[in-house]
Amino acid sequence: NAGVMQNPRHLVRRRGQEARLRCSPMKGHSHVYWYRQLPEEGLKFMVYLQKENIIDESGMPKERFSAEFPKEGPSILRIQQVVRGDSAAYFCASSPLTGYYNEQFFGPGTRLTVL
Amino acid sequence: SQQGEEDPQALSIQEGENATMNCSYKTSINNLQWYRQNSGRGLVHLILIRSNEREKHSGRLRVTLDTSKKSSSLLITASRAADTASYFCATVDSGNTGKLIFGQGTTLQVKP
Repeated sequence: NAGVMQNPRHLVRRRGQEARLRCSPMKGHSHVYWYRQLPEEGLKFMVYLQKENIIDESGMPKERFSAEFPKEGPSILRIQQVVRGDSAAYFCASSPLTGYYNEQFFGPGTRLTVL
Repeated sequence: SQQGEEDPQALSIQEGENATMNCSYKTSINNLQWYRQNSGRGLVHLILIRSNEREKHSGRLRVTLDTSKKSSSLLITASRAADTASYFCATVDSGNTGKLIFGQGTTLQVKP
């Protein structure tokens, strides 16, 4: 059973471009979480999705950021018109369950650098 | 604000020594989890301790939880160079969506 896959692993964008990050959850997992990690900091929750539904996007910036988890295919985190402050590592995690006792399995992350 | 805050921020020890990391949190919890992150990699789940548990062991790991003090500790015994990593505690948000709230992490360096 392959783990959580993320691609690309490294992404370089110039200011104003779009960044598209992909996450394929583990087989059988229908819950996907996205987290952002700024340098020297812990992870911060961004959004929680189930298939075709955004359940909780309380950690997403109000503008430029969007996420989806379609019926088929990977979950996508999209950042439009990137700025330098978007440079960070973006991790997705998947889980077969939700609630208080779910163990989340993390992908290797996408490191976004905005020039 | 961070739910969990680790202490110390950085720790450097010799191989074979024990490493202790502490985590404090602010609100009531159902459980507390510890994760490890090797440099440039994703997080790996280490251990989960429920709010009605006081201590839990997994191999060379020992986790304690004191809900009255809202704190937890992670002890790694007989450390190895391969234990060099960042360690994060995390609590589950009270909204029951499963989203994790992480602390700032402790960076552990184990010197061979």
